Amino acid sequence: EPEVTQTPSHQVTQMGQEVILRCVPISNHLYFYWYRQILGQKVEFLVSFYNNEISEKSEIFDDQFSVERPDGSNFTLKIRSTKLEDSAMYFCASSPDRVYEKLFFGSGTQLSVL
Amino acid sequence: EDQVTQSPEALRLQEGESSSLNCSYTVSGLRGLFWYRQDPGKGPEFLFTLYSAGEEKEKERLKATLTKKESFLHITAPKPEDSATYLCAANAGGTSYGKLTFGQGTILTVHP
Repeated sequence: EPEVTQTPSHQVTQMGQEVILRCVPISNHLYFYWYRQILGQKVEFLVSFYNNEISEKSEIFDDQFSVERPDGSNFTLKIRSTKLEDSAMYFCASSPDRVYEKLFFGSGTQLSVL
Repeated sequence: EDQVTQSPEALRLQEGESSSLNCSYTVSGLRGLFWYRQDPGKGPEFLFTLYSAGEEKEKERLKATLTKKESFLHITAPKPEDSATYLCAANAGGTSYGKLTFGQGTILTVHP
């Protein structure tokens, strides 16, 4: 079955540094998402992206965050100046259409901000 | 505010001992109720989507049901490989279709 691929699997960075998390969604999918899960907490929605623009973003997704689909295959999440509280597992997801059936999640990038 | 609450937080079963997981939701205009399985260090893996009260879906030893206020995931004769965290999530009307509100999950452990 096709997969959503995320790289790197682990990322360690210093507070204040910029990080880019990368995702390759399933090839024929049109809708793309980022979620995060802080250790021991719920999976939280960050942003949805369709037709090269943000469809919806949560309160967490402030000006420090941005998303981009730089080419036909990659989908990235950039955090401009990382904070300790950004430490979490970040999941990319995609769906072929509106989520009438299911969202496909990647295995995640564990971000540690020191 | 949309809320999804799962119970119990953790459940330990003996192999073959059937049980149910609960997901209560308070969502404006539910569009879909999702069940996912999550293994340690992995992303959520889709199990079911339910759309309307009274709907049921089955997959192997799992059956999901939906009422107007809650959903149940019934596990019949579980095996050790069913051990995982089971996540419930809801998509509400008026939001983008991919915006899921997740519960905190139920950690299921099945002992041989």
